[in-house]
Amino acid sequence: GAVVSQHPSRVICKSGTSVKIECRSLDFQATTMFWYRQFPKKSLMLMATSNEGSKATYEQGVEKDKFLINHASLTLSTLTVTSAHPEDSSFYICSARDPVGPNTEAFFGQGTRLTVV
Amino acid sequence: GNSVTQMEGPVTLSEEAFLTINCTYTATGYPSLFWYVQYPGEGLQLLLKATKADDKGSNKGFEATYRKETTSFHLEKGSVQVSDSAVYFCALSDNNQGGKLIFGQGTELSVKP
Repeated sequence: GAVVSQHPSRVICKSGTSVKIECRSLDFQATTMFWYRQFPKKSLMLMATSNEGSKATYEQGVEKDKFLINHASLTLSTLTVTSAHPEDSSFYICSARDPVGPNTEAFFGQGTRLTVV
Repeated sequence: GNSVTQMEGPVTLSEEAFLTINCTYTATGYPSLFWYVQYPGEGLQLLLKATKADDKGSNKGFEATYRKETTSFHLEKGSVQVSDSAVYFCALSDNNQGGKLIFGQGTELSVKP
């Protein structure tokens, strides 16, 4: 199946700094990627839909100025957590569907564990 | 809005026991339904799917039938193995919402030898 790669897998940062997480589709082109946040023992919460060449679509309650998404190419989307605070500590996961479409399989990155200290 | 509800975990079973994990959904339109599995230390991967009413998805001995009348997509396996220990997520994808997946809360399954 298709491969989605996320980097870094773990990151620790200080409060007030920004952290960038990369999501790459390795063997297919992804015009759309999805960013999720997973809390311990909880489900995946969709944060935003990243669209290549246009603005991301954010879910209700997600601060777009805090979670900046850039989808500059057909194989790369980035999520930047700006001015991070301890409550932003979480597991962030990206995904993309190959081929594009609501019935097709979504492939997931391995996730990024963010810890803000 | 669209939502998915799964039975609470954790579920603990002995090897070769029968497994059912309940999943119900609320959706406008005609969603596609999925079960994803997350093994310890790994990312999510597709287990099975069904794209229309009465479809049955199956893989690795797991099955789930898309029941429109009860808005359900329960996951079943006749005889679980220790290697099936994982977290299972039910999800839906609405054809009108660009392919985004809405997940249930996940059910942790632990199978003991």
